[in-house]
Amino acid sequence: AQTVTQSQPEMSVQEAETVTLSCTYDTSENNYYLFWYKQPPSRQMILVIRQEAYKQQNATENRFSVNFQKAAKSFSLKISDSQLGDTAMYFCAFMKPSSPTFGNEKLTFGTGTRLTIIP
Amino acid sequence: EAGVAQSPRYKIIEKRQSVAFWCNPISGHATLYWYQQILGQGPKLLIQFQNNGVVDDSQLPKDRFSAERLKGVDSTLKIQPAKLEDSAVYLCASSLEGGGAQETQYFGPGTRLLVL
Repeated sequence: AQTVTQSQPEMSVQEAETVTLSCTYDTSENNYYLFWYKQPPSRQMILVIRQEAYKQQNATENRFSVNFQKAAKSFSLKISDSQLGDTAMYFCAFMKPSSPTFGNEKLTFGTGTRLTIIP
Repeated sequence: EAGVAQSPRYKIIEKRQSVAFWCNPISGHATLYWYQQILGQGPKLLIQFQNNGVVDDSQLPKDRFSAERLKGVDSTLKIQPAKLEDSAVYLCASSLEGGGAQETQYFGPGTRLLVL
């Protein structure tokens, strides 16, 4: 079974600064997908960024980027130029691809990191 | 494009009572998921539907939880009878089609259940 560990329950950073959220995972799979989801206080979970394990290049989405270290099973999220709207719970998640006939495999989530951006 | 809709947003019941949650996925999305998110934890998958068929219900407590998606669109999740430990947020998500993790799961706002 896959496990996802987020060792930072809470973090805070000044607006406009850069912050890095940590995530490690455990799996015996070679091919898989990793995600960072954001859950603002309104509780609507939103996908921030995704990474395919077979890709060596780290994914980026505007101010969000990841540092994917496959051998170390580490998947950290870096938020640059942080904004007040970045305040939320951030969840790291793992997905093992299943057979096409069965649709998407389930997401396995970590326990989350509560990020607060300070004005 | 309308997102995933869920109702009710909040529900308070006493233990041993029954409760039902409703989810309307994004139009055209074949895959629907129900997750349970206990306070302080990440969401945990309860059941996954592909159209109106169950793909994965291995973590659904079948003695008290049931779910259906009769016409392959809307879904209901029922708890009967509820226990104190069922207090959680129940999240519904949907994705376009099966076949790989390249498809994003879109989440609804969730239903917060408190069992007293």
